[in-house]
Amino acid sequence: AQSVTQLGSHVSVSEGALVLLRCNYSSSVPPYLFWYVQYPNQGLQLLLKYTSAATLVKGINGFEAEFKKSETSFHLTKPSAHMSDAAEYFCAVSESGGFKTIFGAGTRLFVKA
Amino acid sequence: GAVVSQHPSRVICKSGTSVKIECRSLDFQATTMFWYRQFPKKSLMLMATSNEGSKATYEQGVEKDKFLINHASLTLSTLTVTSAHPEDSSFYICSARDSRLVASTDTQYFGPGTRLTVL
Repeated sequence: AQSVTQLGSHVSVSEGALVLLRCNYSSSVPPYLFWYVQYPNQGLQLLLKYTSAATLVKGINGFEAEFKKSETSFHLTKPSAHMSDAAEYFCAVSESGGFKTIFGAGTRLFVKA
Repeated sequence: GAVVSQHPSRVICKSGTSVKIECRSLDFQATTMFWYRQFPKKSLMLMATSNEGSKATYEQGVEKDKFLINHASLTLSTLTVTSAHPEDSSFYICSARDSRLVASTDTQYFGPGTRLTVL
């Protein structure tokens, strides 16, 4: 069975500071990994995804994530936070070629001026 | 890019009534759509997988007679909450997979969600 653990339900950073949102996964088969962002009362927008190609994945809005198999991690980073980055972020996992996607509990990012 | 719409975006209904939520893929065909439920400040819970032309596959613990899913065309799936009660109040989100893409991309496109409030 697959699962996703996001460490920290809330993360607060200052504008311009590094953003680091942690995600660890569990999967018995090679996983596909995703990061999504959700703004209030909206659906999810895909930030980036890992599908067994390059382990460092670059996404939209300056975000990137690195797949580390040895650590079963897929942490999301951004060098410099912007106020508009304040949102809920979800890490998700699915089996390669599979259909079902399992979401983590989410991490709310706060950006202080 | 691929766009998924949901209608209505917000609905308020009385307890005991049924509510239908539509999920449409606007510029692509989707043989598979997914329905999620999101509680306040919580993650998304997969309710069911909707397959065009066949019965939906429900996740464990989800009542199929309560949440009726119909995927009658390649661009439309509907979720009907039957005999709604206040505990059914939630944010319902659908997603769709583009049938033209190979399975390895595994990208879902999400709708904007429907806020259901049952009084």
